[in-house]
Amino acid sequence: AQSVTQPDIHITVSEGASLELRCNYSYGATPYLFWYVQSPGQGLQLLLKYFSGDTLVQGIKGFEAEFKRSQSSFNLRKPSVHWSDAAEYFCAVGAGFNKFYFGSGTKLNVKP
Amino acid sequence: GAGVSQSPRYKVTKRGQDVTLRCDPISSHATLYWYQQALGQGPEFLTYFNYEAQPDKSGLPSDRFSAERPEGSISTLTIQRTEQRDSAMYRCASSPPDRGATGELFFGEGSRLTVL
Repeated sequence: AQSVTQPDIHITVSEGASLELRCNYSYGATPYLFWYVQSPGQGLQLLLKYFSGDTLVQGIKGFEAEFKRSQSSFNLRKPSVHWSDAAEYFCAVGAGFNKFYFGSGTKLNVKP
Repeated sequence: GAGVSQSPRYKVTKRGQDVTLRCDPISSHATLYWYQQALGQGPEFLTYFNYEAQPDKSGLPSDRFSAERPEGSISTLTIQRTEQRDSAMYRCASSPPDRGATGELFFGEGSRLTVL
């Protein structure tokens, strides 16, 4: 069965520090992978996506993610966090036929 | 429209009442999704439409839940005889035609339902 695990419920980092949010997935075929961000009172917004090819993908707002098939992971990274990055982040896998599975999210808090 | 619009943004109802939520997708988007997001959880798939067709409604929790998109644009999600466990954020999303699982989803701000 398809599933997405985000093991960190909350993460706090200092502004300017680097960030890595973890995501592990379970899917039988080649996955389509996504990271979304949800700011308070807003809808989810796509940060980046992986379909095939280069396993390091770049997204908006300076985010990047690396697909590691051997580890079934798709971790999100940012070299230097800004206070405006405080939000909730969701990893998702596209499982064919317009069906997407989301993780339970990681809430990011940024300390000044 | 320019973005996905959902109404109402907040709905409080008493157990046993029927509720209808509305979604107005991006006008050029053929595919429309409904997701349920419980507190502290990620969105969970309910159903989706390609234009007016509803190929998959496997995520609807019970026959109290139904969705329509009669003209292939605006969609409604109706919950009959609401129960407290139905309390959640209901999110609508749309995506461009023929993108399938490779497409990105454009989400609305959601409708928060509270059943007392």
